Amino acid sequence: EAAVTQSPRSKVAVTGGKVTLSCHQTNNHDYMYWYRQDTGHGLRLIHYSYVADSTEKGDIPDGYKASRPSQENFSLILELASLSQTAVYFCASSSGTDSAETLYFGSGTRLTVL
Amino acid sequence: GDQVEQSPSALSLHEGTGSALRCNFTTTMRAVQWFQQNSRGSLINLFYLASGTKENGRLKSTFNSKESYSTLHIRDAQLEDSGTYFCAAGSSGSWQLIFGSGTQLTVMP
Repeated sequence: EAAVTQSPRSKVAVTGGKVTLSCHQTNNHDYMYWYRQDTGHGLRLIHYSYVADSTEKGDIPDGYKASRPSQENFSLILELASLSQTAVYFCASSSGTDSAETLYFGSGTRLTVL
Repeated sequence: GDQVEQSPSALSLHEGTGSALRCNFTTTMRAVQWFQQNSRGSLINLFYLASGTKENGRLKSTFNSKESYSTLHIRDAQLEDSGTYFCAAGSSGSWQLIFGSGTQLTVMP
């Protein structure tokens, strides 16, 4: 069974502070993604990566950085957290970018910026 | 406009009954995936379809690329089916998955 683990499960941050969300996958997947979910809405892609040491921008990358130090690990970094970044963040992995490739999601991180 | 239009936005069912959720696409999609977000917030993939119909237990999904829609049928609904259901599709010109806004399903005793 595919496994994607996110940490922390929830976090409260102050405006202007730095936040790092972590994701670890044991699927041996090349592709990893960070999505954001706002209450009552679907998911929007922030950053993704298809190989270690490389990241790509998704649809809403502003205010976020990503880091892929290894195939298994993918981090999302908020250098200066803002109120508008309060949301639930999901990490996912897949074996490819073709839409035929099923996404496997982590359990999500609920971030509250005060 | 949105490329993936999901309906209804909310649905209530009594246990043992059934209904259908639908996603309409405004552009040609190559494949669709359906996910359930359960009460703990976890996203579980239910189906991937490039065409045709797939069935798994009480769930059945159809994807019609030519007519640009996909459906998810739930029969004999159970309390644990409650949650939010999302479709996500990939267009012919892009690898990215585009998510619908979800259908919040409540199954009542």
